[in-house]
Amino acid sequence: GDSVTQMEGPVTLSEEAFLTINCTYTATGYPSLFWYVQYPGEGLQLLLKATKADDKGSNKGFEATYRKETTSFHLEKGSVQVSDSAVYFCALTLYNQGGKLIFGQGTELSVKP
Amino acid sequence: GAGVSQSPRYKVAKRGQDVALRCDPISGHVSLFWYQQALGQGPEFLTYFQNEAQLDKSGLPSDRFFAERPEGSVSTLKIQRTQQEDSAVYLCASSLRLAGEQETQYFGPGTRLLVL
Repeated sequence: GDSVTQMEGPVTLSEEAFLTINCTYTATGYPSLFWYVQYPGEGLQLLLKATKADDKGSNKGFEATYRKETTSFHLEKGSVQVSDSAVYFCALTLYNQGGKLIFGQGTELSVKP
Repeated sequence: GAGVSQSPRYKVAKRGQDVALRCDPISGHVSLFWYQQALGQGPEFLTYFQNEAQLDKSGLPSDRFFAERPEGSVSTLKIQRTQQEDSAVYLCASSLRLAGEQETQYFGPGTRLLVL
């Protein structure tokens, strides 16, 4: 079935370090891909998205490129801050399925000063 | 403007009790989704509404789960005869237009349900 797999956490980094959170997917057809973020005590927020192959989504210094050949959508940031500490979820939607999101299990990021 | 709100934020129920969880979507949003998030897991789809019509309920885990959106705005998720495995965070999300694969969903803070 359709699914999303993320690298396991928690991931602990020092401030200004480079971040990569891996995400791969299995899907019938061509999904749209999303990264959502959940800050402590807050609801899920859309971080970025890409709707077709080779698209790059970007926001707040984060980037992810839709790679159809490797079925991946890895999240990257060049220099993380303490305020980036959160849980990050990779997700997909499929055409003609009403927009329901299929999520990965989440990756917790902790950034130390 | 106000985001998606959910109430109660926390609910403790005894096994066998019925519960009702409320979602107030962003005003004017056509589509509304419910998800269930178990501890340490990603959210899982339960059901989705387009205005007052429930178009997909394939994710509801049993017939003890029931959702409604009678006037196309506020929605209620009801769980009858709660079981311990129902303990989770229940998330509501809404989107402006008819749900599609590219639409952004806006999430509420969730209701944390604990069944004892």
